[in-house]
Amino acid sequence: GQNIDQPTEMTATEGAIVQINCTYQTSGFNGLFWYQQHAGEAPTFLSYNVLDGLEEKGRFSSFLSRSKGYSYLLLKELQMKDSASYLCAVRDSNYQLIWGAGTKLIIKP
Amino acid sequence: GAVVSQHPSWVICKSGTSVKIECRSLDFQATTMFWYRQFPKQSLMLMATSNEGSKATYEQGVEKDKFLINHASLTLSTLTVTSAHPEDSSFYICSATEGHWDTGELFFGEGSRLTVL
Repeated sequence: GQNIDQPTEMTATEGAIVQINCTYQTSGFNGLFWYQQHAGEAPTFLSYNVLDGLEEKGRFSSFLSRSKGYSYLLLKELQMKDSASYLCAVRDSNYQLIWGAGTKLIIKP
Repeated sequence: GAVVSQHPSWVICKSGTSVKIECRSLDFQATTMFWYRQFPKQSLMLMATSNEGSKATYEQGVEKDKFLINHASLTLSTLTVTSAHPEDSSFYICSATEGHWDTGELFFGEGSRLTVL
């Protein structure tokens, strides 16, 4: 079966750095996405990785290793507004998006 | 980026009634739209994939006669929850992609929270 694993919840301090991991087992691979979702709102796009390596976009970076079936989202200089759920999703060989359950990130002052 | 608008944001209805949710792509033509359902503290569950001008493809376990999807134009898809029951109460989210679905980003609507009394 297809599976996306990510931690259920993480806590970090304002101003710090946090890394949210995602491991996947899917039938084929056509890209990995990270989305941010605040409570009661729809997801918003953060990043897209299709090749191995690190993609940096401001305070957020996303890393992919296809051989290991592994990705992480790195958030730097954490702000209170970063408190949200972070969803990892993989597009499989049929271009279907397989979603992780999301990681709830709690930022403390 | 591209904008997807969803309406209504909130809807409360009585059990047994039908509710229609609209999803519009405002500044691009959405050849494919996706409908998701999300229960509290759970991830997105794909309900169906809708291509303009053709019948929607429903995921296993989703009743096509209960969740009617229409994608009559390149900018509008609708989801109608027929004979709604309290267990249908959920957060429904649509998303759309412009052009061929291999270029990356999927654009989401704001979501519609349905409460069935």
